[in-house]
Amino acid sequence: NAGVTQTPKFRVLKTGQSMTLLCAQDMNHEYMYWYRQDPGMGLRLIHYSVGEGTTAKGEVPDGYNVSRLKKQNFLLGLESAAPSQTSVYFCASSYRSAGGPNEQFFGPGTRLTVL
Amino acid sequence: KQEVTQIPAALSVPEGENLVLNCSFTDSAIYNLQWFRQDPGKGLTSLLLIQSSQREQTSGRLNASLDKSSGRSTLYIAASQPGDSATYLCAVEGNEKLTFGTGTRLTIIP
Repeated sequence: NAGVTQTPKFRVLKTGQSMTLLCAQDMNHEYMYWYRQDPGMGLRLIHYSVGEGTTAKGEVPDGYNVSRLKKQNFLLGLESAAPSQTSVYFCASSYRSAGGPNEQFFGPGTRLTVL
Repeated sequence: KQEVTQIPAALSVPEGENLVLNCSFTDSAIYNLQWFRQDPGKGLTSLLLIQSSQREQTSGRLNASLDKSSGRSTLYIAASQPGDSATYLCAVEGNEKLTFGTGTRLTIIP
């Protein structure tokens, strides 16, 4: 049981390049999330998904796109990277039952630098 | 808009002491509150989750309390150890989303 995994762990891009970050979970969780973490800002939600085939915007969605074609995978895309997107990106997943807690489990993160 | 504050931003205490970390939030309409630990360069590890109907949760040397009406939570760590050194984050859930504080960086001095 690997939990939540993220690929790649590190990446350096030039301004204007594109890339996709992959998140995978093997816990059969319905909900998946993408966050970014910046110094002094805490974690901020980019996009999330409440089930296969669904996506929704979070607090800071501009410049990012997501897809949830399979329940276990959640992809985060940057179409034209900008230096402001230099950050550490975390994926999380959770199992949500009616009236139950929404405990989120996090991946190890992807450190992205945009030059 | 929900805002979550953690004060102080950094804390150093000698090994063996008991300590309390604080978390406050502005909107009391929350579903639950979760405490995480983050080691340098690593992801977040869930420590405790308190549902809105609960007042506290305990796991080993950790005890978390929740007072929704005053918008406060505390994380109590008993008999601190050097291995407890990390950044501790609290997050509150509202409307299917978590709002995070900026964390308290804890250093336990051997």
